[in-house]
Amino acid sequence: SQKIEQNSEALNIQEGKTATLTCNYTNYSPAYLQWYRQDPGRGPVFLLLIRENEKEKRKERLKVTFDTTLKQSLFHITASQPADSATYLCALVVGHASGGSYIPTFGRGTSLIVHP
Amino acid sequence: NAGVTQTPKFQVLKTGQSMTLQCAQDMNHNSMYWYRQDPGMGLRLIYYSASEGTTDKGEVPNGYNVSRLNKREFSLRLESAAPSQTSVYFCASRDPYNEQFFGPGTRLTVL
Repeated sequence: SQKIEQNSEALNIQEGKTATLTCNYTNYSPAYLQWYRQDPGRGPVFLLLIRENEKEKRKERLKVTFDTTLKQSLFHITASQPADSATYLCALVVGHASGGSYIPTFGRGTSLIVHP
Repeated sequence: NAGVTQTPKFQVLKTGQSMTLQCAQDMNHNSMYWYRQDPGMGLRLIYYSASEGTTDKGEVPNGYNVSRLNKREFSLRLESAAPSQTSVYFCASRDPYNEQFFGPGTRLTVL
C-alpha cells in the first residue's frame, strides 16, 4: 500500500541551528513534492515545491532535497528561529489523473520546536 | 484580496442534523478542494473540483456531498451528521503553479 511517513515525534532544536525534517514514501512515483507549514488553529501555508527531476530547491533559509531513488525528501531550515516553530507537512502529487486533476496526498506532519 | 474564506469558523451539531460548510476564493482559481484533518491522521481529501461544473470524490467522501456553485464557491454538505465527522475541515484552491491556498478551517463537533 502507499505510505507517506513523517516523524511523529517533535523535533526540538536550539535557535541558530539547522533543522532537518524527513519525508519518506513507499509505493508512489510522485511527479513532485511540496512542503507546507501549519501553525496551531490555522490552515497550512505553502512553502516549496520540488519536481521529480530536481535534486534541490532553495528559498531564503529553506532548502528541500528530493531523492527518488531513496524515496525521500529532506527539508532544512538554516539559522532556525523560535518563529519557525510549527508543524511541517509534506505532500506528494503523483501526477495528473484523467482530466488533468491534481491530487495531493499529505503526510501527518512533524512538529518543530525551536528553543531560544 | 481575502484569499480563501470559510464559514462558519465553529459549529456544534447533534447526530442526524445537517449543515453546509461554505468556501469561497477570490483568486480566480479553477481547482478547489475539501479536506478534513483529524489528530494523528493528517489531511485527507474529501472531494475536489478541477473546474467549475465538475466534482470528484477524494479519499474519504462517504457522508458528504459537494456543490461547485460557480468558479468562486465550493460548498460541503453533511446530510446526516455523525460523531465520526467531528473534525477540522479545510477548503483550498490551487493556482496554475500547483500551489494550494488554504482557508482558516471550520471546527465541527458532532454530539
